[in-house]
Amino acid sequence: GQNIDQPTEMTATEGAIVQINCTYQTSGFNGLFWYQQHAGEAPTFLSYNVLDGLEEKGRFSSFLSRSKGYSYLLLKELQMKDSASYLCAGILTDSWGKLQFGAGTQVVVTP
Amino acid sequence: DGGITQSPKYLFRKEGQNVTLSCEQNLNHDAMYWYRQDPGQGLRLIYYSQIVNDFQKGDIAEGYSVSREKKESFPLTVTSAQKNPTAFYLCASSIAPGPMNTGELFFGEGSRLTVL
Repeated sequence: GQNIDQPTEMTATEGAIVQINCTYQTSGFNGLFWYQQHAGEAPTFLSYNVLDGLEEKGRFSSFLSRSKGYSYLLLKELQMKDSASYLCAGILTDSWGKLQFGAGTQVVVTP
Repeated sequence: DGGITQSPKYLFRKEGQNVTLSCEQNLNHDAMYWYRQDPGQGLRLIYYSQIVNDFQKGDIAEGYSVSREKKESFPLTVTSAQKNPTAFYLCASSIAPGPMNTGELFFGEGSRLTVL
């Protein structure tokens, strides 16, 4: 399948900002989803980018550049409950609903 | 409440046995999916179905089988042919993307299968 690359782990302090980058092959995808997954639980939807630019939702923002095959998820005012895995998922061009997931970025928030 | 229900949450199986994981949704979604999650890896698509009585193989379909006899239900059978079945299995559903929706996936709580 197409590659979706994101860092394995990031550590940040409570109250800080963390940016999780995601890169992908531009020819294979229409856009990107970001999901949050706490250990042993189901992923939950955070954001969706199909056009270039920044989408802001409260403390979370997501950015997409289709020409560069690049996205990031920005988490502001970090809270301890934000400690989780963040999954970047590309929307495959050949079939709606089919997503290609990255391995996830484990964010550890420290006091 | 609307949602996706997976059962069982935990399942133990002996080698050589088939096991079926249940997935039911009452969201009236057309499409349903099965993903497998292993530590350090992304979710990998096993099978998906966009309409009743039709389903397609995903990236890792070998050793698995599905059926879609009803819109609400998409059970996954892990057969003895699956060489390394111990994993966390996630079922999801979605509607087709359009002007008023993203077509995002809604996930069940997952089923953790352990082969003894």
